[in-house]
Amino acid sequence: GAGVSQTPSNKVTEKGKYVELRCDPISGHTALYWYRQSLGQGPEFLIYFQGTGAADDSGLPNDRFFAVRPEGSVSTLKIQRTERGDSAVYLCASSYGATDTQYFGPGTRLTVL
Amino acid sequence: QKEVEQDPGPLSVPEGAIVSLNCTYSNSAFQYFMWYRQYSRKGPELLMYTYSSGNKEDGRFTAQVDKSSKYISLFIRDSQPSDSATYLCAMRDYKLSFGAGTTVTVRA
Repeated sequence: GAGVSQTPSNKVTEKGKYVELRCDPISGHTALYWYRQSLGQGPEFLIYFQGTGAADDSGLPNDRFFAVRPEGSVSTLKIQRTERGDSAVYLCASSYGATDTQYFGPGTRLTVL
Repeated sequence: QKEVEQDPGPLSVPEGAIVSLNCTYSNSAFQYFMWYRQYSRKGPELLMYTYSSGNKEDGRFTAQVDKSSKYISLFIRDSQPSDSATYLCAMRDYKLSFGAGTTVTVRA
């Protein structure tokens, strides 16, 4: 079956602009996670959804970052007033439940000029 | 201090050698320990999964967890050029905490 998909695969934007990154999880997976991976580093947790609600958003770096999952499937990560330091690969993962194996998408590479 | 420490390498070995990777961690609440493999410009893929302390073997791969020392290891036997990738250790309560990743190159 299809894995986790993320769009776009690459996004180049200018400092101060707004961006949206989309994640389409594996069908039937109720848990969805966003991570951010900077160059040479491991992924860092941003936010976790169980169904439609954000169960843990403690990893979001500041209030410029926001994520939604309105119907419990597709999720969108939104970044306002982008800064150069936001440049990274944004990874999405999904799992059946909170303690099950997480399957990762290919990521969206965000570059803020 | 990071919650999970992993030597980023890089590590270069000849084909057929044993690759030894390890991580240390500080959170004693972690119960699930994983190794992910990540190829360039791809998402991480799960390689090995261990619950609590002990060893687990899968083909050429062996994962070890020593909770008393807060130390986990991954061994790759008879390494192949196709094993060249970045290896990430990860552990969790429900969200994953990753090490920085070790870049491994297996030379033909």
